Order: sequence, then C-alpha cells, then structure tokens
Amino acid sequence: EVQLVESGGGLVQPGGSLRLSCAASGFTFSNCAMSWVRQAPGKGLQWVSTIIGSGGGTYYADSVKGRFTISRDNSKNTLYLQMNSLRAEDTAVYYCAKSTVHFFDSSAYCDSWGQGTLVTVSS
Amino acid sequence: SYVLTQPPSVSVAPGKTARITCEGNNIGSKSVHWYQQKPGQAPVVVIYYDSDRPSGIPERFSGSNSGNTATLTISRVEVGDEADYYCQVWDSSGDHWVFGGGTKLTVL
Repeated sequence: EVQLVESGGGLVQPGGSLRLSCAASGFTFSNCAMSWVRQAPGKGLQWVSTIIGSGGGTYYADSVKGRFTISRDNSKNTLYLQMNSLRAEDTAVYYCAKSTVHFFDSSAYCDSWGQGTLVTVSS
Repeated sequence: SYVLTQPPSVSVAPGKTARITCEGNNIGSKSVHWYQQKPGQAPVVVIYYDSDRPSGIPERFSGSNSGNTATLTISRVEVGDEADYYCQVWDSSGDHWVFGGGTKLTVL
C-alpha cells in the first residue's frame, strides 16, 4: 500500500523559511516523479513543483520559482520542499503527490496523495 | 499560460446523471485527468487519460474529451459523490501542470 506522510508545516512569519518533508513507502520511490500541490484555504488545487524520479530534473510554478527548491533523497524515500522568502499568499495545505511515471511529461498524473501539511505565513 | 475553466457548481438529484465540464483551448489534444476531493480529505484520481478509470472507482464514473471540452460524467449519482472535482492537464509550453478551478457537486 502506497503511503505518503508530509511533515514540517507550521506558522512562519513573512520572509521566513520552512522545509517540508514527505516520507514515502509502498512503492519503488526512485521510479516515480514526485510533486507538491497546494491548496489555499477555501480555494482550489495549485501545482507547485515536480522532481523526476532520478532527481535530475525539477520544475516549478512561476509563483514559487526562485523561492522554493524541491529535492529528494532516494536512499531515504523522502521528498523535500525548501521554502524561502515566504509570503502570505503561500499560506495553504501542501500535498505530496506520487506520479505514475519517472519523468514529468504528458503521461504523468498523480495516483496517490498524502494527507497534507498546513503552512501558515503570518506575522 | 494554459487555462482550464470549470463551472463553480453543479447540482443533481440522486439517481440522475451529473456532467462536469472542463474547457480549454484544444483540450482534446491533451490528456485530461480528474480528481475528486471530499471535505477534509486529499484528492483522489477518478479518471485518467481522458476516460480510464482506476481500480476501485465505480463504473458510474466516465470521461470524454474532444475539441475544447472535456467532460466528467457521473451516472446514477449518489449522496456519497458530493465533492469538489478538478480537471488537470500537462501544459507542454511551460512544462507545468494546470488544474481547473474546481466544481462543487451538490446532490440535492
């Protein structure tokens, strides 16, 4: 059974930093691209970032490019999201999601999601 | 950037058919995926590659995609189908995933 467990969320001041983690189990982690998708309170889903299975390629939404960094440790089956220069508009539940393929392309979609971790950016 | 447009809400009586649309420029040339999200829960894929259904998803859920509109159809709607539904595509022009704004399905 696939399990994705996010951690690291919390309250942070504007301009601050936070690192999210997602512990994965139940599948061959290095075979799958992994993504972060967020959902602001009462709003829809917004794709944030994706990293391919090997870690050799990363992709970002324009709204977070230059501030967020996605990474993975395939030896620990763990996905990360380093978030810097946080803004109020980054406040959201952040979901870790598993893709069905190694690469990030037209064949990819999310077949498993974690339960999410809440990030609140406020003074 | 590529935009997906969904109606904010759809209402249907139990036992009837619900159709949720997702509009985008020439969306028929893309693979569309649909997610169901119930309150307080993570999303779950209900349709992938336009019309494929994951194991465990009832046959009542089906999808189609042509021209500028993709459609999620739920037949014989049940109260338990009440949820937000999101469409998603991969935008090759920017290597991005794009989600529609979501549709709240209400079962009257």
